[in-house]
Amino acid sequence: SNVLTQSPSVSVAPGQTARITCGGNDMGSKSVHWYQQKSGRAPVLVVFDDSDRPSGIPERFSGSNSGNTATLTIRRVEVGDEADYYCQVWDSDSDSHVVFGGGTQLTVL
Amino acid sequence: QVQLQQWGARPLKPSETLSLSCAVSGGDSFTDHYWSWIRQSPGKGLEWIGEINHSGTTMFNPSLKSRVTLSIDKSRKQFSLRLTAVTAADTAVYFCARSVTVARGITFDFWGQGALVAVSS
Repeated sequence: SNVLTQSPSVSVAPGQTARITCGGNDMGSKSVHWYQQKSGRAPVLVVFDDSDRPSGIPERFSGSNSGNTATLTIRRVEVGDEADYYCQVWDSDSDSHVVFGGGTQLTVL
Repeated sequence: QVQLQQWGARPLKPSETLSLSCAVSGGDSFTDHYWSWIRQSPGKGLEWIGEINHSGTTMFNPSLKSRVTLSIDKSRKQFSLRLTAVTAADTAVYFCARSVTVARGITFDFWGQGALVAVSS
């Protein structure tokens, strides 16, 4: 089964680039989705299928996936981007099929 | 824009049954999608519970399947979750969400506001 590993926290200054990674077995063969969750709110899908953005999500958010690591990149980080970010895959080999990472807290300094 | 509005959360005692409902408004056809329940607890993070479509076809997280019932009322565009025999481990924020089939698997593109269900004796 697939366990998705995320660093607990990432810090970045406004205007800089944040990279949040999600590690797992053979990630490149899976579609990775990313959610942003601000304090007390529901998650919001920001990237799906590795690198596609839903309507309304700024181009500053992008994703990539290769090998055993998927990456969410946030360019020109804003204070409003401060949130927890979760990756998610569908893993047919895992019991639950839907697998979430443990989340990364993005702090904008 | 699709909106999901959920209700029904209340404090529970161990062994009681959790019941939540979610109403869908806006967007395209209700019958074109599956509808999921997901929960979030400090100890286990985000956990998918299961999903249902307009015809009642379901899929569950095996770890919860024996205690979960999903139902749907397509005329009202509502779906519901029942979780029996709750314990403190079921304490979590419960979300309803729209499932979307993508290149490989599913993702969740619209979510309800979430509801805290606390289980305590």
